[in-house]
Amino acid sequence: QQQVKQSPQSLIVQKGGISIINCAYENTAFDYFPWYQQFPGKGPALLIAIRPDVSEKKEGRFTISFNKSAKQFSLHIMDSQPGDSATYFCAAIQSGGYQKVTFGIGTKLQVIP
Amino acid sequence: GAVVSQHPSRVICKSGTSVKIECRSLDFQATTMFWYRQFPKQSLMLMATSNEGSKATYEQGVEKDKFLINHASLTLSTLTVTSAHPEDSSFYICSAPTRGGNEQFFGPGTRLTVL
Repeated sequence: QQQVKQSPQSLIVQKGGISIINCAYENTAFDYFPWYQQFPGKGPALLIAIRPDVSEKKEGRFTISFNKSAKQFSLHIMDSQPGDSATYFCAAIQSGGYQKVTFGIGTKLQVIP
Repeated sequence: GAVVSQHPSRVICKSGTSVKIECRSLDFQATTMFWYRQFPKQSLMLMATSNEGSKATYEQGVEKDKFLINHASLTLSTLTVTSAHPEDSSFYICSAPTRGGNEQFFGPGTRLTVL
């Protein structure tokens, strides 16, 4: 059972364009939603995260939009650059307990010049 | 941010041998660490939760006798792949949450290749 559904699985964006990755979750007990960026052969690195009491969070060119009622959230990368080419994972965490991270399937982003 | 290291970064071994992978939290203490396996072009799959001072908790379908986990101290967890076979070849990643926060910090990963 895939608790966090992510789409698309791959994305090609022109340099300067906007990259949009969407995720949906089912478990309403999740209360922390991070996005991770992973380059080939490296571990994931936290990019940006949001809590469900906030509808939007922006850090530089990266913005998370969160729709609690729809149980959906998305990552927008503005002015996409070739250096943004990586795999992006959305995730969900249930606070308390052991803080297990439930990952989406991942989106491979390629930004072409 | 907090730093998690893994050693080795890459290991190649013969089928039937055992391989130990270390995961260290460098600047914080972690009573809990997580071990993931990632196959090419796939997401991270949680294998087990490593608990300092107690037995690890394994996810369904993960053989605890094959993947031995020892959380020896508040900064070190080890994963030993016993009697490794080619199908165990994968990218193994550990993570640790900071105490009191939701942030998870991931190690750089260990590429295991079993010949």
